[in-house]
Amino acid sequence: DSGVTQTPKHLITATGQRVTLRCSPRSGDLSVYWYQQSLDQGLQFLIQYYNGEERAKGNILERFSAQQFPDLHSELNLSSLELGDSALYFCASSPRTRLHNEQFFGPGTRLTVL
Amino acid sequence: GIQVEQSPPDLILQEGANSTLRCNFSDSVNNLQWFHQNPWGQLINLFYIPSGTKQNGRLSATTVATERYSLLYISSSQTTDSGVYFCAARQNYGQNFVFGPGTRLSVLP
Repeated sequence: DSGVTQTPKHLITATGQRVTLRCSPRSGDLSVYWYQQSLDQGLQFLIQYYNGEERAKGNILERFSAQQFPDLHSELNLSSLELGDSALYFCASSPRTRLHNEQFFGPGTRLTVL
Repeated sequence: GIQVEQSPPDLILQEGANSTLRCNFSDSVNNLQWFHQNPWGQLINLFYIPSGTKQNGRLSATTVATERYSLLYISSSQTTDSGVYFCAARQNYGQNFVFGPGTRLSVLP
């Protein structure tokens, strides 16, 4: 158990819908990262937050957005869902220091869009 | 941005055999990690190793930062070692963390 929690574990929804994925980082970690793992694209970095502020942005679609709250949990919002958004979504967290920013991954949320 | 390659893409071993997985990266890094994704999809941290050598039981890893590669050694493999092994790297804090395509390992009894 990495200490990173994600809910829900599974989500099945229809095209055009909107969903919210939730992540709680390890105790004391200020950084949260979101990743998408699909069969044809591998593991893709989406976005990073540090202590509530966006720190780095990857291949995140405009239909997707994220935020990190004062209690440091984070949410990833996916809207106008398409079949191709079906994937495993991971959250990771890392310690506050720049010198050692090892990432620890949560169990993931498996999203299926029908 | 940084490019990360892994080889071989697939590896089939008999239980008890040893193996070496390789990760090449295109630029200097300040973060390199190895992960094992088990058949249930969990990503398990193996090593945080931007440089140097580390060992943990039957697994060890070496990163030669000046030559831009990292190696993961698995000795006396077990069926539970099956899954996909990823390396991931980042050049600098605040930049994207890039995963390699993975090496799929199958250990046969």
